[in-house]
Amino acid sequence: GAGVSQSPSNKVTEKGKDVELRCDPISGHTALYWYRQSLGQGLEFLIYFQGNSAPDKSGLPSDRFSAERTGGSVSTLTIQRTQQEDSAVYLCASSLGVKTNEKLFFGSGTQLSVL
Amino acid sequence: AQSVTQLDSQVPVFEEAPVELRCNYSSSVSVYLFWYVQYPNQGLQLLLKYLSGSTLVKGINGFEAEFNKSQTSFHLRKPSVHISDTAEYFCAVRRGIGSNTGKLIFGQGTTLQVKP
Repeated sequence: GAGVSQSPSNKVTEKGKDVELRCDPISGHTALYWYRQSLGQGLEFLIYFQGNSAPDKSGLPSDRFSAERTGGSVSTLTIQRTQQEDSAVYLCASSLGVKTNEKLFFGSGTQLSVL
Repeated sequence: AQSVTQLDSQVPVFEEAPVELRCNYSSSVSVYLFWYVQYPNQGLQLLLKYLSGSTLVKGINGFEAEFNKSQTSFHLRKPSVHISDTAEYFCAVRRGIGSNTGKLIFGQGTTLQVKP
C-alpha cells in the first residue's frame, strides 16, 4: 500500500477484555515495529519483527502483551485482560530492512482507551 | 544499551524567532541519530538523520542538527520558525554501523509551540 495502515483508528474497551490491533506495513518492507505513545511518556519501544520472527521483544510490558506477524506482512498486537494503564496510542512502523540507517515509516496509530 | 534525553518538554517561541530543541544521548557504541516530527493529527515523519561524515546535517523545512560526540548531543535548530512548525519533535538513537539491531530508541518528545 501507499503507507502504513493501522486499524482500528480508535478502540474503546472495558477493563479485562482482550483487544487486537492490526498493522499493515508498506509492501516490500521486511521490518515492522510496534511502539506505544502515552501522554508525557514519549514513544516506548515494544517489539520489532524482521520477516516473521521477533529478534527483540524486550519492550513488551507484561505477558498480557503479545504480537505476531504472518506472511512477512500484516502484524497483530494482542493485549489480554486490558488494564486502564494500557490506554495509549499504539504506533506501528515499517522499514525496508533493519539496517540501522534506514528510515521508519509510521502509521497514524490506534488510540486505545480502557474504561 | 542506548538512551535519549530531551531536556525540554515544551518550548514556546514567537514566530520568526530562532529555536533550539535539545537532545542528549547515552551509548557505549557508535550510534546513528534521528529527529522525527509529529504534526497535529498526523503520523511521525523523519526530519533528518546523522549517520556519518559532516556533523552538521540539514533536514526538511529548514531544520538542521549538529552531532557533538564529546558532548553526546544532537540539538535541533531552526533560524526562523513559522506557525506551521508547531508540532512535537522526537530525538531518536539507534546502534550504528555494523549492527543489525533494528530497535530505535526515542526521547520523551519536545512540544514546539510557535506563537504569532
